[in-house]
Amino acid sequence: GAVVSQHPSWVICKSGTSVKIECRSLDFQATTMFWYRQFPKQSLMLMATSNEGSKATYEQGVEKDKFLINHASLTLSTLTVTSAHPEDSSFYICSARDETRGISQPQHFGDGTRLSIL
Amino acid sequence: DQQVKQNSPSLSVQEGRISILNCDYTNSMFDYFLWYKKYPAEGPTFLISISSIKDKNEDGRFTVFLNKSAKHLSLHIVPSQPGDSAVYFCAARGGGKLIFGQGTTLQVKP
Repeated sequence: GAVVSQHPSWVICKSGTSVKIECRSLDFQATTMFWYRQFPKQSLMLMATSNEGSKATYEQGVEKDKFLINHASLTLSTLTVTSAHPEDSSFYICSARDETRGISQPQHFGDGTRLSIL
Repeated sequence: DQQVKQNSPSLSVQEGRISILNCDYTNSMFDYFLWYKKYPAEGPTFLISISSIKDKNEDGRFTVFLNKSAKHLSLHIVPSQPGDSAVYFCAARGGGKLIFGQGTTLQVKP
């Protein structure tokens, strides 16, 4: 149980393009999902907390107009990187937790999206 | 300000031996600690966790120890297997959010 699916797994696009990444909880509902970013050989950095039916909460230093988050249903959150530039190239990962199973439940992660901006 | 630190970027052990991965944290308000295993170009996979009110949790070959007074936790893998070779991240939960360490690359040699 507690499977998180992320799509696409790899995107290569030109500078200036907007890219949408989807994160789905397949066998549970999640009012909260999390978006992380990982640079090569570095840690996972939390970008924002996605809240179903309300605005996302962004971490300090993350531009909310650059990284648009929509959490329109209990099983889907999307991250859109708007007008992407080469410095946005990174590995983006989402996670969610099955909150109905108690506070001890861990966050489960999608397989990530490798974004390469040319 | 790194709240969760893994000071060893890499660790190499022989198959069958014990692997010990370490993690230090600074925030005494963290309520849960987790270990994740990660392969390149994949998301982290949950391994084991421990509540801040416990000092040990065991699951098969994996045991996590928590020393709250020292703000230190460790993951023991015994016996280590070549398939355990991966990057291991410790994470601490505070305010519902996970803060990750930098990761330790474990190599288990046959």
